[in-house]
Amino acid sequence: AQKITQTQPGMFVQEKEAVTLDCTYDTSDQSYGLFWYKQPSSGEMIFLIYQGSYDEQNATEGRYSLNIQKARKSANLVISGSQLGDSAMYFCAMREASGGYQKVTFGTGTKLQVIP
Amino acid sequence: EPEVTQTPSHQVTQMGQEVILRCVPISNHLYFYWYRQILGQKVEFLVSFYNNEISEKSEIFDDQFSVERPDGSNFTLKIRSTKLEDSAMYFCASSEALALDTQYFGPGTRLTVL
Repeated sequence: AQKITQTQPGMFVQEKEAVTLDCTYDTSDQSYGLFWYKQPSSGEMIFLIYQGSYDEQNATEGRYSLNIQKARKSANLVISGSQLGDSAMYFCAMREASGGYQKVTFGTGTKLQVIP
Repeated sequence: EPEVTQTPSHQVTQMGQEVILRCVPISNHLYFYWYRQILGQKVEFLVSFYNNEISEKSEIFDDQFSVERPDGSNFTLKIRSTKLEDSAMYFCASSEALALDTQYFGPGTRLTVL
């Protein structure tokens, strides 16, 4: 089974609108961390936001917020006020305690295109 | 803001040649990682490194690969005899601590094996 599943290969959003990128995760660990990274066309991986399994409140970083629903094992990224510079690939990722926290497991990504 | 740096940004090599990819992790970080991303595919974990030794490696990280921290700042990935399928973007990452801490990625080195 896939550890991280991103079912939206591509998404379009109008500039200034909000968009939700879906991610589901699969783990039996009680302790884990969920991340989102942005990869623009230039190729670098930019850390956006993180939330640990024991965090009570959903994380927010500027225009990015993480909507985690543990019962559904979903970790959706919400981008508010989309900007043209948000056009990029977005990867959901997870670190698990059973992996000794060593590695981050990535999903296949969602390509977001912001339309002017 | 401190960042992970990688050199070169792009490396072209002939099949069978050795390549060394270089990384300078964030200075107060203790854990270092290499990942690779074959074009159009997801990012895959290769290896993690702590206290001058490998702490975990994936099945991808076979005997052709090695890592080293030759001095106090650099962290290198060596591919001994490159194959066509080694063509990929290679990312170095570092984290301050191990437990669920954020890994910060470098800009990547695009390796092209001809």
